[in-house]
Amino acid sequence: SAVISQKPSRDICQRGTSLTIQCQVDSQVTMMFWYRQQPGQSLTLIATANQGSEATYESGFVIDKFPISRPNLTFSTLTVSNMSPEDSSIYLCSGTGHYFDNEQFFGPGTRLTVL
Amino acid sequence: AQSVAQPEDQVNVAEGNPLTVKCTYSVSGNPYLFWYVQYPNRGLQFLLKYITGDNLVKGSYGFEAEFNKSQTSFHLKKPSALVSDSALYFCAVRDEYGDSSYKLIFGSGTRLLVRP
Repeated sequence: SAVISQKPSRDICQRGTSLTIQCQVDSQVTMMFWYRQQPGQSLTLIATANQGSEATYESGFVIDKFPISRPNLTFSTLTVSNMSPEDSSIYLCSGTGHYFDNEQFFGPGTRLTVL
Repeated sequence: AQSVAQPEDQVNVAEGNPLTVKCTYSVSGNPYLFWYVQYPNRGLQFLLKYITGDNLVKGSYGFEAEFNKSQTSFHLKKPSALVSDSALYFCAVRDEYGDSSYKLIFGSGTRLLVRP
């Protein structure tokens, strides 16, 4: 299995600012993903974080708003740019790969509130 | 296109009674199916999966799920519910013959409430 940590666990931000969320995995994973979740609701995939190349974004999400980095096989960041109250949500990262028997492991999430 | 349906927003059950949380799916190839649980203010925890083999899959915390290909279902079950099982449960699917990205499609979630 893999253990995933996220920083910060929560933050309150002002409109128009940006926040970078870090995701650290305790072992190498092939794939890393970023999700958004409204409390009590389902997960929406934002993008796949590709190691050494640009992330692959899902429909409705763009790089200018959600720039993602993945410099190696254990670390990724998601930035929420030019935030508005509509960006208030829980952001989750996950990881999986060939050595994890199809299981996807999730971080604890970052709860973001935008005022 | 892949999809997952969890028809019940909430399931209520008394402690000690059996519980079932329903999930149906749609994929073009053979499905990889998963159940996750989310406790308040926590990330998702993996419960169990079906990839191939026996249709009855046993997982963590006494949960099991039955894969039914003809009904395209993967219902989560537990013989005797505990109050501590109260949480949000997600079913997810991946298409065996989809792209190699390992992306999961999640259902809308079912809140399980076990009353003492």
